[in-house]
Amino acid sequence: SQQGEEDPQALSIQEGENATMNCSYKTSINNLQWYRQNSGRGLVHLILIRSNEREKHSGRLRVTLDTSKKSSSLLITASRAADTASYFCATDEGGGFKTIFGAGTRLFVKA
Amino acid sequence: DTEVTQTPKHLVMGMTNKKSLKCEQHMGHRAMYWYKQKAKKPPELMFVYSYEKLSINESVPSRFSPECPNSSLLNLHLHALQPEDSALYLCASSPGLAGPTDTQYFGPGTRLTVL
Repeated sequence: SQQGEEDPQALSIQEGENATMNCSYKTSINNLQWYRQNSGRGLVHLILIRSNEREKHSGRLRVTLDTSKKSSSLLITASRAADTASYFCATDEGGGFKTIFGAGTRLFVKA
Repeated sequence: DTEVTQTPKHLVMGMTNKKSLKCEQHMGHRAMYWYKQKAKKPPELMFVYSYEKLSINESVPSRFSPECPNSSLLNLHLHALQPEDSALYLCASSPGLAGPTDTQYFGPGTRLTVL
């Protein structure tokens, strides 16, 4: 079962613009993580936000978490063509090693 | 070394074949995972090993058989697969210390095609 739902499913922007992706989940979590996947490759971890955090930054990435709405957003500022990839949120299920990935957003950045 | 390696990169097999996928990490991680990913879909968890013991099996059919010979190696044995099992199989590892706050490190995957 997929806990995280993401929107939009696909996003096409020009280089230099900002990209925002959203993720919603259903049950309580300890943390939420964002991963990036280039076409047909393995996933790369981007950022982790804990349930007691509201916002986190890493370079051009900004992640927010609203546990009352069970949602998170990933903002990529000043996008580059190299940011073209699929982005997934991933949540735990209140413990253990079980990770559930959202449906993902496919981002295309045009040069 | 922060790399998870997977072999082979590509595998084509018939429904009667037996094959194995291999995953290796040398980061000292104690949790290792197998995921299945279909095109344009998110990864789906199959198995998790924690300290070389199977801790999660997501009701995966018995034609998939995982094995963790030691803390650095993870195998997935395949037998009598169906065409719908064609997918990208991803291996991941994590430190295994923080449980739900572990960051997972993924290998590049094995692209499996079942004829």
